[in-house]
Amino acid sequence: EDQVTQSPEALRLQEGESSSLNCSYTVSGLRGLFWYRQDPGKGPEFLFTLYSAGEEKEKERLKATLTKKESFLHITAPKPEDSATYLCAVEAMYSGGGADGLTFGKGTHLIIQP
Amino acid sequence: DTGVSQDPRHKITKRGQNVTFRCDPISEHNRLYWYRQTLGQGPEFLTYFQNEAQLEKSRLLSDRFSAERPKGSFSTLEIQRTEQGDSAMYLCASSSGSDTQYFGPGTRLTVL
Repeated sequence: EDQVTQSPEALRLQEGESSSLNCSYTVSGLRGLFWYRQDPGKGPEFLFTLYSAGEEKEKERLKATLTKKESFLHITAPKPEDSATYLCAVEAMYSGGGADGLTFGKGTHLIIQP
Repeated sequence: DTGVSQDPRHKITKRGQNVTFRCDPISEHNRLYWYRQTLGQGPEFLTYFQNEAQLEKSRLLSDRFSAERPKGSFSTLEIQRTEQGDSAMYLCASSSGSDTQYFGPGTRLTVL
């Protein structure tokens, strides 16, 4: 069974204080690992897709990296508007073109204090 | 707005009533997914369609849950005989083939 574990569950940082969020996963065969941002009462907003170990992607103050067992979301010099829940999800490879949806972690609730 | 849309955004119902939610995917996307999210948890996959075909439905939570996508465009999720435990956010996502899934704003269901 595919599993995703995110840590920490919650993180409070001062504005400008860089940190990293962790996503550990087990999956039979990884097709892709996804990072989403979710604001309260809203749907997840897509950030990154990573497909293979060693891959990195960046967007503004965020950088996502991937190894064979985990992914990190690095936040550099965060601002209060970066406050949100960050969700990690995996999609497994299935033969025959099938799909089973994404398996999500519980998320990391990030608060950036001014 | 060309994103995924869901209607209604909020639904309050009494236990035992039936409810139906609608999802309109991004227009060129052929895949449509339904998820449920409870407080403090990540979204949980329920079912998905490729065009009008429902290719996975074993994850639907019980036989009270059903979904349709009759013309391969919008989809509906119905919950019959609602229970208090059905209270959650119901999310719809769409994708082009096996590419990235883009989510809608969700429908918040409260069962009294």
